[in-house]
Amino acid sequence: DTEVTQTPKHLVMGMTNKKSLKCEQHMGHRAMYWYKQKAKKPPELMFVYSYEKLSINESVPSRFSPECPNSSLLNLHLHALQPEDSALYLCASSRGLAGGSGANVLTFGAGSRLTVL
Amino acid sequence: AQSVAQPEDQVNVAEGNPLTVKCTYSVSGNPYLFWYVQYPNRGLQFLLKYITGDNLVKGSYGFEAEFNKSQTSFHLKKPSALVSDSALYFCAVREEVIKAAGNKLTFGGGTRVLVKP
Repeated sequence: DTEVTQTPKHLVMGMTNKKSLKCEQHMGHRAMYWYKQKAKKPPELMFVYSYEKLSINESVPSRFSPECPNSSLLNLHLHALQPEDSALYLCASSRGLAGGSGANVLTFGAGSRLTVL
Repeated sequence: AQSVAQPEDQVNVAEGNPLTVKCTYSVSGNPYLFWYVQYPNRGLQFLLKYITGDNLVKGSYGFEAEFNKSQTSFHLKKPSALVSDSALYFCAVREEVIKAAGNKLTFGGGTRVLVKP
């Protein structure tokens, strides 16, 4: 299995809703990432988990709450979002630590397209 | 700070003609450089990378890229473009590694490639 699977593919939510995005990989990768991508823009890093511990938080607002229950799963909990948070949310994984030629390549999921009304 | 620039928002090319997508970078140390492609409503797919070694790197789908240290460039090339190559292309540079933090890629703004029949 060489894929990163993201669910749901599409999500519409109101500003008072609580929802979650899910990401799963079975490649044995030990680093997982959340990126946010607005239309026609490059992906922007939000969070990095390494060995199930949060390593990087790019000053993301607390209305986004990541969770890594185990080495294969990564969640992004959403609460009280704003319309400007509407975007494509991409999950990615990599083999692990930064060293080594194989660790550098990120495998991306297809994304979850979020619309906040 | 690390940065990468893609000077062209869009590149138009006729099918069968050579395709070049430009990328320049700025890093304080040795660069780790990547190209990714994104098809509509999809995640990013890895094409190729330069870590060290030969300046000409060959990747997926017939793409290659040439690392030029003196010009700080990493242009993506394909000798004969296909209509199916029409997509959004991102150049990325890996920032200086913080051990155990995983990869932290900085993406360029993206170049839309349109291959016309």
